[in-house]
Amino acid sequence: AQSVTQLDSQVPVFEEAPVELRCNYSSSVSVYLFWYVQYPNQGLQLLLKYLSGSTLVKGINGFEAEFNKSQTSFHLRKPSVHISDTAEYFCAGSMNTGFQKLVFGTGTRLLVSP
Amino acid sequence: NAGVMQNPRHLVRRRGQEARLRCSPVKGHSHVYWYRQLPEEGLKFMVYLQKENIIDESGMPKERFSAEFPKEGPSILRIQQVVRGDSAAYFCASSPPPGQGFLHFGNGTRLTVT
Repeated sequence: AQSVTQLDSQVPVFEEAPVELRCNYSSSVSVYLFWYVQYPNQGLQLLLKYLSGSTLVKGINGFEAEFNKSQTSFHLRKPSVHISDTAEYFCAGSMNTGFQKLVFGTGTRLLVSP
Repeated sequence: NAGVMQNPRHLVRRRGQEARLRCSPVKGHSHVYWYRQLPEEGLKFMVYLQKENIIDESGMPKERFSAEFPKEGPSILRIQQVVRGDSAAYFCASSPPPGQGFLHFGNGTRLTVT
């Protein structure tokens, strides 16, 4: 069965500093990977996705992620964070080519302080 | 275009009562999904529906929970005889037919059982 692991439950960082949120997946078959962001009391918004092709994917709000098959990772990065990036970030995967039935990690809370 | 609309945003029920959560998908989306987010956890898949059909309900608790997506009207997630452990955020998502797009999530319904 597929699983998605987010190792850090909370990541505090200062404004304008770089950040990396870690995500590892386990799957013996092809996998499609996603990062979602959840602002307080809101739903999930798709940040970026990896389906195939280039392993470096760029998303909205200046975020990017790199698919690393040998390390089974899909870490999310941003070179310089803003206060407004404070939110919960979820990594998710799907083995289904229709992208249904996502398996989510437990989330990482990014706390950006001045 | 309106996104996925869920109502109510907050729902308080006493133990033993029924909870009905509604979800209107993005216009033109024919597939609806329900996910549950327990406190401090990631989202867990519950059920996947197409109009008038349940495609996959492998994540639904065996008792007290049911879901429907009628030909007309919103999708309904129904929880009978609620217990405290049902307190969670319930998210609905919708998508075009498989392989043609990705999940769009609503803002969720936060159910509190007292």
